[in-house]
Parts: sequence; C-alpha cells; structure tokens
Amino acid sequence: EAQVTQNPRYLITVTGKKLTVTCSQNMNHEYMSWYRQDPGLGLRQIYYSMNVEVTDKGDVPEGYKVSRKEKRNFPLILESPSPNQTSLYFCASSSWTGSSGANVLTFGAGSRLTVL
Amino acid sequence: GDSVTQMEGPVTLSEEAFLTINCTYTATGYPSLFWYVQYPGEGLQLLLKATKADDKGSNKGFEATYRKETTSFHLEKGSVQVSDSAVYFCALRVTRGQNFVFGPGTRLSVLP
Repeated sequence: EAQVTQNPRYLITVTGKKLTVTCSQNMNHEYMSWYRQDPGLGLRQIYYSMNVEVTDKGDVPEGYKVSRKEKRNFPLILESPSPNQTSLYFCASSSWTGSSGANVLTFGAGSRLTVL
Repeated sequence: GDSVTQMEGPVTLSEEAFLTINCTYTATGYPSLFWYVQYPGEGLQLLLKATKADDKGSNKGFEATYRKETTSFHLEKGSVQVSDSAVYFCALRVTRGQNFVFGPGTRLSVLP
C-alpha cells in the first residue's frame, strides 16, 4: 500500500530532550515536507525537500532541523524542544515532473507531540 | 508571495443543506488548485483538484471550478451529510516554485 509513515504517533517529552520524528514514504516521491498544525493557525510548513540532499526552510523553521540522505526518509529533528513546539505534525510527499502537472500530496497520519 | 485565503469558520449546517466554502488565491504563474479534507483524528487527504482555468474538480458530491478571472476555487456540495463534518483546506501549487501553499482551513460541522 502506498503510504507515508510517521513515528511516533504520540509523544510526551520534556524541555530540552532531543527527539526525532521519523517520516518514510514508499512511493519513490522526490518531494517531501513537514507541517505543523495548531488551533486557529491552520497548517504551517516547517521544512521541505525537493530531492535527496536538497532541503529548504518553510514558514516556521526555527527550532527544527531536517535531513534528506535517502529518498524515502525525511526525519524531523528537535534538538532542544520547548513547550511552544507542542503541536500536531504532519509529513507529506509528492512526485513532481519539474514543469507541470497537478502532483498530489500524500500525508502521513500525524504525530502529536507534547513538550512539558 | 503566493497565498490562499479561505472563508473563516467554523461553518455549521443542517444535514441536506447546501454548502459553499470560498477560496481565493494569489499566485505568480498558473497554479494547480486543490481541496484537501481532514476528518477528525486523521491526516489530510485529497478531495479534488483542477489544473487549468475552467477545469472542474469533483469527488464525493463536492465540486469546485477553477476561475482564473476571479482567482477563485470555491468548494460546493448540494446536500451535505453528517459524515462530511471535517476541516477543509484549499491549496495551490505553483509549478515554477514547485512548493505547495495551504489556506488556513475551514471547519465544517453538519448537524443531523
């Protein structure tokens, strides 16, 4: 089954304790992206990646790191989590042709993170 | 920069009512347009899409028409059901930039 898999789905952690949220897709997609969803603020993009070793900042990158060493994986790293990073996180992926086409985003089920 | 504006929610309707959720956009170039839906406790999933002016996307009784002259992509459904209760996101993808831009989302609640 074609899917985007995120882990963990739920996590409670404490301020300053480094954590990684993994994201893996099995569709050979070039494009991957991380979003956070907060009440009243909609969906905000954190980082995205057009392909392996190519990453760029989204709207709210502060406090996050990403890497794209393999095409299928795009982990989100919180080096020193703070309470304002408590949120619902989504990973998504898409293929793209580079010039046209309505390439569709496929989303993971979400990771709910609480930082105390 | 590119952006998407949606009507403020929440929207509350009775079952079988007509639904419209407005969406307008600002973009350089010629974007593809999408509606995504998020059911409670789930991730977002594509509802419908349109790639060029005057295209109509449709799925599950929902429709939206790409209007270049008004830069709009309003979502409509003739008769909503309780199971349509969800958050709806309008989005665009500008091919030159290759990135996706989402609107803030509109929460719909349908009452029996």
